[in-house]
Amino acid sequence: EAGVAQSPRYKIIEKRQSVAFWCNPISGHATLYWYQQILGQGPKLLIQFQNNGVVDDSQLPKDRFSAERLKGVDSTLKIQPAKLEDSAVYLCASRPGGGRIGETQYFGPGTRLLVL
Amino acid sequence: AQTVTQSQPEMSVQEAETVTLSCTYDTSENNYYLFWYKQPPSRQMILVIRQEAYKQQNATENRFSVNFQKAAKSFSLKISDSQLGDTAMYFCAFMKPKNNDMRFGAGTRLTVKP
Repeated sequence: EAGVAQSPRYKIIEKRQSVAFWCNPISGHATLYWYQQILGQGPKLLIQFQNNGVVDDSQLPKDRFSAERLKGVDSTLKIQPAKLEDSAVYLCASRPGGGRIGETQYFGPGTRLLVL
Repeated sequence: AQTVTQSQPEMSVQEAETVTLSCTYDTSENNYYLFWYKQPPSRQMILVIRQEAYKQQNATENRFSVNFQKAAKSFSLKISDSQLGDTAMYFCAFMKPKNNDMRFGAGTRLTVKP
């Protein structure tokens, strides 16, 4: 079974530029998460999707971050414009999401973003 | 709000020895799930072990076991017979079953020395 795929793996941009990250979850997984992991910290949830609907985006800085999962499969996270403090690893995770509680989340390799 | 605390930023252990990583959490929930994830250098995060709060028996996965103390809100990870491949960041995580929302600790960097 293929795991969670993310691209690109690395990205370097200058502040005020825009950037987009892509995630393809494990096949059949209805629930998808985006996390931000700043160096030396644990992952922090940005947004959670159930199919193509947003379940929780309370910690997403909506003035600059946006995310979509239009067809309920792959997802894109965008930052526009980027700030220095956005430098982090952006992790995508998925789980089956069939209504079972306590489901394990499966993580992708992450996209490491450096904003100069 | 739930918080997860890992008080050991870094630890090291000799190969083949045993090491215990600490984790405490704060919650008013009675039913929840706890996880330990491993993140090797430049590699993706993988699940090591999970514990359901309503189960009194401590979870075990091969060389990995937990000491779950619900009253003390403590969830430590014991790694027996440490191997070089165990070198990684280890994250403790708390999940509320209501929405499967997961909160992570800051992590413990474990180095296994030959």
